[in-house]
Amino acid sequence: AQSVAQPEDQVNVAEGNPLTVKCTYSVSGNPYLFWYVQYPNRGLQFLLKYITGDNLVKGSYGFEAEFNKSQTSFHLKKPSALVSDSALYFCAVRDGGSNYQLIWGAGTKLIIKP
Amino acid sequence: DTGVSQDPRHKITKRGQNVTFRCDPISEHNRLYWYRQTLGQGPEFLTYFQNEAQLEKSRLLSDRFSAERPKGSFSTLEIQRTEQGDSAMYLCASSPKATNEKLFFGSGTQLSVL
Repeated sequence: AQSVAQPEDQVNVAEGNPLTVKCTYSVSGNPYLFWYVQYPNRGLQFLLKYITGDNLVKGSYGFEAEFNKSQTSFHLKKPSALVSDSALYFCAVRDGGSNYQLIWGAGTKLIIKP
Repeated sequence: DTGVSQDPRHKITKRGQNVTFRCDPISEHNRLYWYRQTLGQGPEFLTYFQNEAQLEKSRLLSDRFSAERPKGSFSTLEIQRTEQGDSAMYLCASSPKATNEKLFFGSGTQLSVL
């Protein structure tokens, strides 16, 4: 069965510091991996995806994510956090050989303090 | 910006009543998805349309839930005989055929069943 785990409910980072939001997954086939962000009172927005190719994926707003097959992880990173990055972040996975369903993590609240 | 729009934004109903939500996807998108999200959880897949065809439906979806996309444009999600457990945010998303992994979400309909 497919599953996604975001082990941290909340991550606190000082503005200007690097940030990491963790995600691990489990799928039977090749994983399609995604990060979305949800700002208050707004819909989910796509950040980046990994389908195949380079393990380091670059996305919107300066975010990037590193795919690690051996650790079944897809951590979201940013070299220098901004206060405006404060939001709810969701990791999602789809088994590349299966249906169209995305399985979502429970989300991680990112708080960037000035 | 003609993104995905959902109506209504909020719906309060009494247990046992029927409710219907509407989603207008981005006009050139032929794929449409419904998700449900409760506080502290990631979105949960409900159903998926490609044009007017409903191609996938969650096994967890009660028979009280039905969705339609009659002309391959807007979609409706109906919940019959609502229960308190149906209280959640109902999210609609669409995607174009070429990049079907990137979902564009609406702001959702918040349902409260009293």
